[in-house]
Amino acid sequence: EAGVAQSPRYKIIEKRQSVAFWCNPISGHATLYWYQQILGQGPKLLIQFQNNGVVDDSQLPKDRFSAERLKGVDSTLKIQPAKLEDSAVYLCASSLVPTDNEQFFGPGTRLTVL
Amino acid sequence: QKEVEQDPGPLSVPEGAIVSLNCTYSNSAFQYFMWYRQYSRKGPELLMYTYSSGNKEDGRFTAQVDKSSKYISLFIRDSQPSDSATYLCAMSVVRLQGAQKLVFGQGTRLTINP
Repeated sequence: EAGVAQSPRYKIIEKRQSVAFWCNPISGHATLYWYQQILGQGPKLLIQFQNNGVVDDSQLPKDRFSAERLKGVDSTLKIQPAKLEDSAVYLCASSLVPTDNEQFFGPGTRLTVL
Repeated sequence: QKEVEQDPGPLSVPEGAIVSLNCTYSNSAFQYFMWYRQYSRKGPELLMYTYSSGNKEDGRFTAQVDKSSKYISLFIRDSQPSDSATYLCAMSVVRLQGAQKLVFGQGTRLTINP
C-alpha cells in the first residue's frame, strides 16, 4: 500500500513570497489533515478535511494560509504572504475515517523562509 | 499552560537499557492516548494507542496510562540503536461529527548508544 505522498520535500523562499504544498493521501482515506511542526515541537493541526469538506480549521491563520481538497482526494496548502515564523515542516496525514485512531503521515515539506 | 507537556530531552542511554518516556496532560476530556515515533526527516508513525487506564504491551514496548494523575508513559525494554528517534505522545478527544483531534506533546529525542 502506497503511503501519503507530499511535494516538494524542501522549499526555500523569501518572506512575503507565496508557496504551495501538495498532498496525495492513501487511496480510500476520507480524512485528510495538515499539520505544522516547528523545529523542536510536536505537530500542530492546521486543518482537517472530511472528503472535500472542512471539519476543523480553527488553528489555521486564515489571513495568510488557505487549503483546499478538490474532489475529496489531493489537497493543497498555500501560504501567501509567508513570514519568517512560518519556517517549519508541513506534514500531511490521512486516516480511513475521522474516528480512526491511526493517522498515516507523509514525509513532510520542510519550508525555510528567509 | 499547554494541554500536553512532554520533556524534550534529549535522552541518551546505552543499548539494552530500559527507557521511560512520559507526558502529562491537563484536559480531562482526552479519551485516547497514543505514542508516535518520528525518525529524522520522516513523518510520525503510530507505535501504540490505548483508551483506558492501565498497561498495554506490544513486544518491547509498554504504554501506561494513569487518568487519575493525568500521566502517561512509554517504556522500551532491551532498547536497540534502531529505537533512536523522537517519541511524541498524542492525545485525542472525539468531537462533534465523530472527528478525532490529536494534540501532540513536544517530543522527546532519544538516542540509544551501541
